[in-house]
Parts: sequence; structure tokens; C-alpha cells
Amino acid sequence: QLQLQESGPGLVKPSETLSLTCTVSGGSISSSSYYWGWIRQPPGKGLEWIGSIYYSGSTYYNPSLKSRVTISVDTSKNQFSLKLSSVTAADTAVYYCARHLARNGGASDYWGQGTLVTVSS
Amino acid sequence: EIVLTQSPGTLSLSPGERATLSCRASQSVSSSYLAWYQQKPGQAPRLLIYGASSRATGIPDRFSGSGSGTDFTLTISRLEPEDFAVYYCQQYGSSSAFGQGTKVEIK
Repeated sequence: QLQLQESGPGLVKPSETLSLTCTVSGGSISSSSYYWGWIRQPPGKGLEWIGSIYYSGSTYYNPSLKSRVTISVDTSKNQFSLKLSSVTAADTAVYYCARHLARNGGASDYWGQGTLVTVSS
Repeated sequence: EIVLTQSPGTLSLSPGERATLSCRASQSVSSSYLAWYQQKPGQAPRLLIYGASSRATGIPDRFSGSGSGTDFTLTISRLEPEDFAVYYCQQYGSSSAFGQGTKVEIK
């Protein structure tokens, strides 16, 4: 059974960089059939796709966040990571990693449990 | 940028009833790249439908999706107690965007 697990700091200061890692177990991140990415949800609000990556390293980002987002993959560790720079309180959210059936974060069939990241001084 | 508008915002129904949820796009969604998710409090979303009408693995056949272009529908034929939740649509043909959600609550 495929499992995804987010890890990283739960508290980030304004203007700093948010960094999260997703560890995939029970399957290979190098599968040619899937993409891997990040989706977030501010408390009490809806979902927002952040970006996705293919095992080869090709990346696809939400245009509204593109200038601040970097997603990378480490196939040797079966992990992929998110960096979001210059964070503000508006970036406070539950961050999910997920497996996608399509490149634009589409049809996410496996999700991590989510991790709450709070931006505050 | 494609904007998705879901209606109604809240649907109050009883177990056993039929639920019809709407998702309207501001522009045509290419190749029916439209998905539906169910989310319960404190849980990650669960994929129900992708490609507008294909059920994801393990999803009961009481869930069905239809539509094309700019108008899409999720239908739950007979509501079970575990179906009361928030439902989101997502287009992934041009970048990606989610609707604001429809809450299905017990009447």
C-alpha cells in the first residue's frame, strides 16, 4: 500500500523559506505513470495546487506561486521536497503531498496526512 | 486562468436521497480534465472521479460523474451516512484550480 508522509517545521517566520519533504513508501517515486506534488489548504478554506514534479525532474508550478516555489526530487531516497520563499501569514495552511495521475496536480489518488505550517514571528 | 464555481454551497439531504452537485468552469476544460474529491473534517481529500466520469479505485458505484466543456456534475445516487462531507471539483487541463466546495449535510 502506497504511503506518503510530510515532514518539516511546523512554524516558519515571516520572510523566511518554508521547507517540507515528502517520503514515499510502498512504491517507487521513479514510476513513469505518475507525478508527485504539493497541495495546500488554509484553515477553514479550500484547496490550492502548489506544484508538481516528474521523477525525471520536470516541474509544473501554479502561476500564482511560481516565483516563490521550488520542487525537487531525490529518487535515491524516494522523496520529493517543497521550498516556498518569502512566506507571509497568508501561507499558513495544511500542506499535503500527493501522487497525481496527471501533471498539473490532477487526479491525486494518494495523499499524505497533511502537516500544518504556521507563519508567525 | 480557469475559475470553477460549485453550487450549491450547502446541500441538506437525508440518507437514501439523491445528491446532485454542480461545477461550472469559466472556460472550457480541455479533454475533460475534471476531478471530484470528498473531504471529511481532519482528513486529506479522497479522489472520487477523474477524467470527468471515471471512478477512482475502490469508489462505490453510487458515485458518478458527468459533463464536458464548462458544465460538470457529481451525482450520489443514494446517500449513505458516510457520504456527508465536503466535495471539491478540480480542473487540471490548464494549470490547476479547485472549486470552493459543496458541503453535503444531514437534513
